[in-house]
Amino acid sequence: DTAVSQTPKYLVTQMGNDKSIKCEQNLGHDTMYWYKQDSKKFLKIMFSYNNKELIINETVPNRFSPKSPDKAHLNLHINSLELGDSAVYFCASSQDISGRTDTQYFGPGTRLTVL
Amino acid sequence: AQSVSQHNHHVILSEAASLELGCNYSYGGTVNLFWYVQYPGQHLQLLLKYFSGDPLVKGIKGFEAEFIKSKFSFNLRKPSVQWSDTAEYFCAVNPRGFNKFYFGSGTKLNVKP
Repeated sequence: DTAVSQTPKYLVTQMGNDKSIKCEQNLGHDTMYWYKQDSKKFLKIMFSYNNKELIINETVPNRFSPKSPDKAHLNLHINSLELGDSAVYFCASSQDISGRTDTQYFGPGTRLTVL
Repeated sequence: AQSVSQHNHHVILSEAASLELGCNYSYGGTVNLFWYVQYPGQHLQLLLKYFSGDPLVKGIKGFEAEFIKSKFSFNLRKPSVQWSDTAEYFCAVNPRGFNKFYFGSGTKLNVKP
């Protein structure tokens, strides 16, 4: 069984379009994250949600909007896509144990290419 | 601001050579420490983690890491690498009590057969 899944795996689109990436985890974790991995493989956190509530929102353009319909899902919607948005986006989840954040489990990534 | 430094960006080794990848962080409080590996075309997977206790932790595939608090370091080691260890390795730091992970920029390891 896939623990953290993302769809689509690849996304190629034109500048100016709006697109969404979906993420689901079946681990029962409380916290979910979105990361952006750029062409230099640098991994940077974008958002973190705990039990459907936004707890971390890094300096990310407001064209990026996360949505968490329930604690097993965290979707990422991107408006007015730009060339610089091309990257691999990873979803992850973790469980808080006695107030301590445990290991993050990552999804397979979504490679977004903006033309 | 918290940061994680991996000074070796690209390491090339022959099979059976020993490996040590450096990781330093800049957070003064208590931290949880992780090493993740990303094989070509795959997602990140946990290699090992340190929360507390013995500062020498052992992970999967013969990897180990040592937490040296005084040096703010968590270096990854393996005594004898294999071709299948070719991958990108990421160090990550989680300040205790925060749902936030800081990742290093990664070290690309190429092992020649």
